[in-house]
Amino acid sequence: DTAVSQTPKYLVTQMGNDKSIKCEQNLGHDTMYWYKQDSKKFLKIMFSYNNKELIINETVPNRFSPKSPDKAHLNLHINSLELGDSAVYFCASSPSGLAGYEQYFGPGTRLTVT
Amino acid sequence: KNQVEQSPQSLIILEGKNCTLQCNYTVSPFSNLRWYKQDTGRGPVSLTIMTFSENTKSNGRYTATLDADTKQSSLHITASQLSDSASYICVVIHPKTSYDKVIFGPGTSLSVIP
Repeated sequence: DTAVSQTPKYLVTQMGNDKSIKCEQNLGHDTMYWYKQDSKKFLKIMFSYNNKELIINETVPNRFSPKSPDKAHLNLHINSLELGDSAVYFCASSPSGLAGYEQYFGPGTRLTVT
Repeated sequence: KNQVEQSPQSLIILEGKNCTLQCNYTVSPFSNLRWYKQDTGRGPVSLTIMTFSENTKSNGRYTATLDADTKQSSLHITASQLSDSASYICVVIHPKTSYDKVIFGPGTSLSVIP
């Protein structure tokens, strides 16, 4: 009965590799997000999709490519991984856009690039 | 520049005591202000959401206040419990033409000790 789930929970990989993180929500929400939390614990929004359509892209390198096959899924593919990509990545969803709606976060994926 | 600042950076209190966390922001305009609780290794969980016209909102032992004139918010925790140990993040939503911009504060790390 998990609301927002992410896989994998941990990901260790080498520089230059390409990896994907998957996110699924079973809340029937229209909007999904990807956030990055760095080592200083600062959360920063990366992308937002509303009904499979990209609505927020916050100056993220184009090595990061989100993909929403349907409104319940938002995956994040990262090409040519760099050391600075090491962080915890959180997926979240909300019924609609942000104004007034609560966001539900997934458990996070800890990515370590060596 | 739209920013959110929080104080203190970290706080240690005895179980059963009350505490107040502060959030100052320069975001303008804003549609709503949120407080999240993030346990170690977990995703943030929403505590309160307040629009610019609301002054106070409670969620159990958590009470958030908002002064839109001075651009300050506080989160008061009553009768603290060990499980309140977490990071508390203030988030301000800045409405833009096509989407809402999410601006996170750096968080306050709270430790409740027996």
